[in-house]
Amino acid sequence: QVQLQESGPGLVKSSETLSLTCTVSGGSIINYCWSWIRQTPGKGLDYIGYICYVGSGSGSTNYNPSLGSRVTISVDPSNNRISLQLRSVTAADTAVYYCARGGGSPDVWGTGTTVIVSP
Amino acid sequence: EIVLTQSPATLSLSPGEGATLSCRASQSVDNYLAWYQQKPGQAPRLLIYDVSNRATGTPARFSGSGSGTDFTLTISSLEPDDFASYYCQQRSGWPRTFGQGTNLEIK
Repeated sequence: QVQLQESGPGLVKSSETLSLTCTVSGGSIINYCWSWIRQTPGKGLDYIGYICYVGSGSGSTNYNPSLGSRVTISVDPSNNRISLQLRSVTAADTAVYYCARGGGSPDVWGTGTTVIVSP
Repeated sequence: EIVLTQSPATLSLSPGEGATLSCRASQSVDNYLAWYQQKPGQAPRLLIYDVSNRATGTPARFSGSGSGTDFTLTISSLEPDDFASYYCQQRSGWPRTFGQGTNLEIK
């Protein structure tokens, strides 16, 4: 069955860019939407955004307005990967980051990766 | 943004008892309400989608109901594996939002 695995640096400096990758195995990324969601003890689960990819082009995206223009989600079809970039991070971006399948109520989730933003 | 309010925050019950968890939306979410279960150190797991549809692998003791702004997750007879946190989530509006969760603990 399809499995998702997040990867990337566990520590990012304040004001820099957080970059994470989600590798999808056991299935194709084509004709699905893929979401990034984060979780903190204080704010709970927070939907970052999603990308829908139909096999051509760069995919269509939808981002949480609370993140403004800081976020970009993209696909790498040749490697069956989805990427997240979050720019100008602050301590408030410290969280467990999940990728998940679906742009509505995601049904398959990765195990999550913890990202800490340092001063 | 649609705000989801879950109650109670913590529910203490014994195995074999029934559980009722509530989720109220700040505006109608139609039938686009899901429930997730999360255990410590794990990702959320989809249990119920679109109010009452069990996701693949969800046991029949879990059921969802409601409409508009008021929703309920019912667990008919608690198994030891059911003690976890539960979150409601709406996909009616953007951004998608989650409730703050109900922690179901063993009494």
